[in-house]
Amino acid sequence: QQQVKQSPQSLIVQKGGISIINCAYENTAFDYFPWYQQFPGKGPALLIAIRPDVSEKKEGRFTISFNKSAKQFSLHIMDSQPGDSATYFCAASPGANNLFFGTGTRLTVIP
Amino acid sequence: GAVVSQHPSWVICKSGTSVKIECRSLDFQATTMFWYRQFPKQSLMLMATSNEGSKATYEQGVEKDKFLINHASLTLSTLTVTSAHPEDSSFYICSARPGTGVTRYTFGSGTRLTVV
Repeated sequence: QQQVKQSPQSLIVQKGGISIINCAYENTAFDYFPWYQQFPGKGPALLIAIRPDVSEKKEGRFTISFNKSAKQFSLHIMDSQPGDSATYFCAASPGANNLFFGTGTRLTVIP
Repeated sequence: GAVVSQHPSWVICKSGTSVKIECRSLDFQATTMFWYRQFPKQSLMLMATSNEGSKATYEQGVEKDKFLINHASLTLSTLTVTSAHPEDSSFYICSARPGTGVTRYTFGSGTRLTVV
């Protein structure tokens, strides 16, 4: 059973546009929600993370929006660049235990 | 800080042989390490969790006799794929965490295993 559902599976955005990736979860024990960026042949790298006590967190061009009542969170990439082309994974963790990953979104930013 | 080194980055082995993958935390002590498997264009699937000095906890469906995990020190965990078969070909990734109750997970760069 997929604990964290992620959409879309793939996304194509023009350079300078906004990329939006969505995730949803059911387990109310989750209290840590990170986003990872993965390039082909590499391990995931942490982009940004949020806890459920805040509704939004911004770091540079990356913003997480978190809706606790809807059990949804999303990643917004502003001013998307070709270098942002990668696979993005949302994840969730209950009480600093294992990470449960979403299914991934392959982002392509076209010039 | 928080660097995890995984070695080798790729390996090709013959069917029936064993392969060892190392995961080292370079600048912190990793109380807990995680091993994942990732098939092409798919998500990371947790294989096992290992705590230093104790036996690894394997996820359901993962053969512990086939995927041997050792976490003998606070900076090193190894995954040995025993009697490898072509279906074991995959991308294996380790992750390390400095302590319990800490949410900082650092991932290695992964190992591409091809069994021929």
